[in-house]
Formats: sequence, structure tokens, C-alpha cells
Amino acid sequence: GAVVSQHPSWVICKSGTSVKIECRSLDFQATTMFWYRQFPKQSLMLMATSNEGSKATYEQGVEKDKFLINHASLTLSTLTVTSAHPEDSSFYICSARDTPASSYEQYFGPGTRLTVT
Amino acid sequence: KNEVEQSPQNLTAQEGEFITINCSYSVGISALHWLQQHPGGGIVSLFMLSSGKKKHGRLIATINIQEKHSSLHITASHPRDSAVYICAVGMRYGGSQGNLIFGKGTKLSVKP
Repeated sequence: GAVVSQHPSWVICKSGTSVKIECRSLDFQATTMFWYRQFPKQSLMLMATSNEGSKATYEQGVEKDKFLINHASLTLSTLTVTSAHPEDSSFYICSARDTPASSYEQYFGPGTRLTVT
Repeated sequence: KNEVEQSPQNLTAQEGEFITINCSYSVGISALHWLQQHPGGGIVSLFMLSSGKKKHGRLIATINIQEKHSSLHITASHPRDSAVYICAVGMRYGGSQGNLIFGKGTKLSVKP
């Protein structure tokens, strides 16, 4: 099946610094990538949707200047958490889709655990 | 009320038992996913279905569109099946570009 990787798998950073998380589709071209956040014992919540070559669409309540998303190629999307604070500590998961918008098939990455101290 | 409800929230079973996890939703959907999340956090997509029934190994997923209900069954459960099982739906109308709405998950623990 299609494989999506994320890097790093976990990261610890100091408050005020920025962290970049990469999401790669390894064996297919991802026309759309989704970024989710999951707090302990809660559901995944969609943060933003990104299409290759265009600006990301952010969900209500997600600060686009704090969570910078770049989808520069069909195999790579990055999420940068700028000026991270302890409340940004969470599990960040990406997923990717290789078919047109009418399809709901998504392939999930393994996730990145971010801890801000 | 959540748009996607799962039951039970927690489930403990003995190895070999037949397990059923339920998912009910209140929106019109185009597809429903069953996902598995292990303690390390990584998510694996088990099934995507929009009608009927699918089977993969010991796992079976069914969906009833009229009743807005889906079930995930595990036959001959094994401790390695211990994980959180998440139901997620793709909305038929609204939503953005096929994003999913997730249930809160069912935590399954299978004892040897």
C-alpha cells in the first residue's frame, strides 16, 4: 500500500523556538496533504489542508501565522510550528491523498510527537 | 452531540474472543474509515467503505448507510490487536476537500 513518512518522529524544543515537521509520500504523488493534531485521549483534529503549489486552507481556530504549511512538491509537505509554546505540545499527524477531490482515500503518516519545554 | 459516536469507549477482552466496535454518525457521508492507532501513536488505515461489507484477515467491517451505522468486528482476537480503533467519516456535503471527521476511538485491550 501507499506509504507516508514523517520526520522527526519525536522532538523536544524550548519555548520560543520553531520546529519543522516533514511529511513525505514515498511511493505516490500526493495531490493533497492533511495535517492533524491530537491531544492526549482526544480525537484527531484537522488543522489544515494543503494542495501542491497553492496556499494551505486552515480550519477555524488554527493560526496560519503560527502553523506554517508548505507543500512545495507532490511528495513533500512541511509544517513549521513557529515560536512554540508548551500548549503546542501535541501529536501531529499528516495524511496524503493521491486521487482527485472526489475520493476519500487517505494514507496516514506515523505521527510526530512534539514536546515544548 | 458529536457527529461521529463510537461505542464502547473501552473494551477488554480475552484472547480468542469475538469483538465488535460500533460507529454511528449523523451526517451524510461519502465514505467511512476504520483506523487503528497503536500505543506509539502511528495510524494504520484498516478499511474504507461506502456500502456493504469488507473483510481482511480476521477483520470485518460493515456499514448500513440507511441506519448511519458501521461495525468493526475482530474474530479470534489476539493481544497484538490491542490498540485504539477510530472511526472516521468523509462528509458527503460540506467539509473541505475530503477531510475526515473522527470519532473519539475505542480502546481495545486483549488479555492473553
